[in-house]
Amino acid sequence: EAQVTQNPRYLITVTGKKLTVTCSQNMNHEYMSWYRQDPGLGLRQIYYSMNVEVTDKGDVPEGYKVSRKEKRNFPLILESPSPNQTSLYFCASSSPNRGRSPLHFGNGTRLTVT
Amino acid sequence: GQQLNQSPQSMFIQEGEDVSMNCTSSSIFNTWLWYKQDPGEGPVLLIALYKAGELTSNGRLTAQFGITRKDSFLNISASIPSDVGIYFCAGQSNAGNMLTFGGGTRLMVKP
Repeated sequence: EAQVTQNPRYLITVTGKKLTVTCSQNMNHEYMSWYRQDPGLGLRQIYYSMNVEVTDKGDVPEGYKVSRKEKRNFPLILESPSPNQTSLYFCASSSPNRGRSPLHFGNGTRLTVT
Repeated sequence: GQQLNQSPQSMFIQEGEDVSMNCTSSSIFNTWLWYKQDPGEGPVLLIALYKAGELTSNGRLTAQFGITRKDSFLNISASIPSDVGIYFCAGQSNAGNMLTFGGGTRLMVKP
């Protein structure tokens, strides 16, 4: 089944403790992206990647890092999480090189930073 | 960055009613997408629009790509309880460019 898989689904952590949220897709998509969703603000893009070893900042990149060493994986790294990073995070992928290819989303990771 | 205004923010309707929501932008988009998000899930694509003026249906859902390329609407006819969720519009300037999302419309359906 074609899908985007995020782990973990839920995470509670403390301020300053580094964490990684993993994202993997099995559709051979070139494009991958991370969003955060906050009440009243919709989905805001954190980082995106057009292909392996190519990453770019989205609208709200501060406090986040990403890497794209392999095509299928696009982990989101919070080196020193803070309470304002408490949010619902979504990974998504698509294949712009194949023409019309809308984003496919994972099921989300709910992060709470205390 | 680009802004997408989606309205209404929420609506509470009776089962069987039709509902309409729309998005407007200050910038031109070449692609409009409509997603639905169920509680605890990621957004799922409902309809994709790629051409100005395009009107596309998916079951009881109909969406249109505005002629000016700065707006789009989504209609749901004869709503049912499983239509409950948050609906998002999204615009894209060019393939490979990032999507800009609207703030979402939370739909509640009373049986």
